[in-house]
Amino acid sequence: QSVLTQPPSVSGTPGQRVTISCSGSSSNIGSNFVYWYQQFPGTAPKILIYRNNQRPSGVPDRFSGSKSGTSGSLAISGLRSEDEAEYYCAAWDDSLSSVVFGGGTKLTVL
Amino acid sequence: QLQLQESGPGLVKPSETLSLTCTVTGGSIGSSSYYWDWIRQTPGKGLDWIGGIYYTGSTYYNPSLRSRVTISIDTSKSQFSLNMGSVTAADTAVYYCARRLGEGASLGYWGRGTLVTVSS
Repeated sequence: QSVLTQPPSVSGTPGQRVTISCSGSSSNIGSNFVYWYQQFPGTAPKILIYRNNQRPSGVPDRFSGSKSGTSGSLAISGLRSEDEAEYYCAAWDDSLSSVVFGGGTKLTVL
Repeated sequence: QLQLQESGPGLVKPSETLSLTCTVTGGSIGSSSYYWDWIRQTPGKGLDWIGGIYYTGSTYYNPSLRSRVTISIDTSKSQFSLNMGSVTAADTAVYYCARRLGEGASLGYWGRGTLVTVSS
């Protein structure tokens, strides 16, 4: 059981816009930044969004993040087949003094 | 370019201690801005943060693993290590080391990961 809650899967067709939600609590998302990671099979996760809505260099602007209260959201617009991957949200939890992750969301591009 | 590389046994017997080392190259492990973390991923499952260490030696651990885990650092060798005792099959996972910016969950650099299987 993960501390942050994500939908297990989402899907979309090429060109569409999809969103992935991440629900937390006042001790994690409610008081700290949300981060998003992208992971392809057999590889390490890669940071996609930091500080709620910032993109590292090299990440396409099709990827965007937002935060409201105790929830975060990742949006992917202009969906491409190469976006098919697992996506994880993460945050620092002040009560646990730990990094906490969501359970991951498998994105399928139909 | 910063690189992290995990090393250690790929097979550990139940009840024994899992020991892994992460070697950092291309950057200083003694930087005051970063923590050095261990994360694991059980096959087909999600990510589980094990804990992290600052260059001074101060540590943070996942409360659910705290009683079995020790993370240490050797700045002279640019290495940090994970020891996890009393392992069971449930500890079978890919173990990653990573660099975290000391402001939250910003894990900007990861090792490739190493699979550790707990089996007799």
